[in-house]
Amino acid sequence: AQKITQTQPGMFVQEKEAVTLDCTYDTSDPSYGLFWYKQPSSGEMIFLIYQGSYDQQNATEGRYSLNFQKARKSANLVISASQLGDSAMYFCAMREGTYTNAGKSTFGDGTTLTVKP
Amino acid sequence: DGGITQSPKYLFRKEGQNVTLSCEQNLNHDAMYWYRQDPGQGLRLIYYSQIVNDFQKGDIAEGYSVSREKKESFPLTVTSAQKNPTAFYLCASSISGSGTEVFGPGTRLLVL
Repeated sequence: AQKITQTQPGMFVQEKEAVTLDCTYDTSDPSYGLFWYKQPSSGEMIFLIYQGSYDQQNATEGRYSLNFQKARKSANLVISASQLGDSAMYFCAMREGTYTNAGKSTFGDGTTLTVKP
Repeated sequence: DGGITQSPKYLFRKEGQNVTLSCEQNLNHDAMYWYRQDPGQGLRLIYYSQIVNDFQKGDIAEGYSVSREKKESFPLTVTSAQKNPTAFYLCASSISGSGTEVFGPGTRLLVL
């Protein structure tokens, strides 16, 4: 069964500093995708970054990067140069399966990030 | 602009009443999903559909029903069998298999 673990219920970071949000996962399927989403207080879910299980390089999207350590089954999100607008809840998610067989996603419990001025 | 619309934004349910949450997408995505989110918690999958006229139960399908008669639409009915329906409901869609889900703005369901 799929499982996502986010061990940090809440994190604080000073504005302009970098922060790492932890995520570990468990799956027996060799094909899977890992996702990070941001949820501001308004409730919308915003996609941030994706990492495929066969990707050789760590994914990067602007200030977001994913530290993918396959052997350790971890997919930590790194946010560089934090901004006040980064304050939100962050979810790690995983979906098993290949392109032609969309599986169902499993989400972690989330980490609330607060950026201090 | 393409996207997902959910209506209504707030919905109130009386005891013993069935209510239906709307989800429409114009992204031409094959797959659609319904999630439930309780305060301070993550998302739990209720139902998902990979193609028209087909859908599968997620982790918490009891007390809910769905239909997928059109590619663009995936309504969720919260039945009277769902004893604790108060939550935030999110609909999402994706190109089947690629995984990246696009989410709607959500519907908050409250029980009177």
